[in-house]
Amino acid sequence: GQNIDQPTEMTATEGAIVQINCTYQTSGFNGLFWYQQHAGEAPTFLSYNVLDGLEEKGRFSSFLSRSKGYSYLLLKELQMKDSASYLCAVMDSNYQLIWGAGTKLIIKP
Amino acid sequence: ETGVTQTPRHLVMGMTNKKSLKCEQHLGHNAMYWYKQSAKKPLELMFVYSLEERVENNSVPSRFSPECPNSSHLFLHLHTLQPEDSALYLCASSQGTGGYNEQFFGPGTRLTVL
Repeated sequence: GQNIDQPTEMTATEGAIVQINCTYQTSGFNGLFWYQQHAGEAPTFLSYNVLDGLEEKGRFSSFLSRSKGYSYLLLKELQMKDSASYLCAVMDSNYQLIWGAGTKLIIKP
Repeated sequence: ETGVTQTPRHLVMGMTNKKSLKCEQHLGHNAMYWYKQSAKKPLELMFVYSLEERVENNSVPSRFSPECPNSSHLFLHLHTLQPEDSALYLCASSQGTGGYNEQFFGPGTRLTVL
């Protein structure tokens, strides 16, 4: 079956760096997405990786290793507003998004 | 209105009721989606419409019935639901359905079935 694994919850300190990991096993691969979802709100797009390597976008970076079925989202200079759930999703060979259950990130002052 | 809108935001219904959820996208996209989001579970894709044609139906019970009258509007008709159907129902849209197609989500309808 298809599976996306990410930690359920993580805690970090304001101003620090946190890395949220995602491992996947899917039938085919057409890219990996990261979304952010604040409590009670819609998920919003953060990043897309289809080739191996690091994509940097401001304080957020996303890394992909297709051979390892692995990605991470790196958040730098954490702010209180970064407290949210972070969803990893992989597009399979049928161009369907397979979602992880999300990682709830708690930022402490 | 901008982006993707959904109404109602909250809905409480009995198991014998019939109700409909509405989604509208103002982005000129060609694909629309219904997802179910339950606490601590992955998003479950329910239906996909591309150019108003249903292209995906992921073994969803028949008590959920989608309707896509045009590329901007999507409905989810609900009847004789079960308490386990209580969840957040999210609508999303994207330009297309393949490859890099960022999905834009609406705020969701929080559904409670009594």
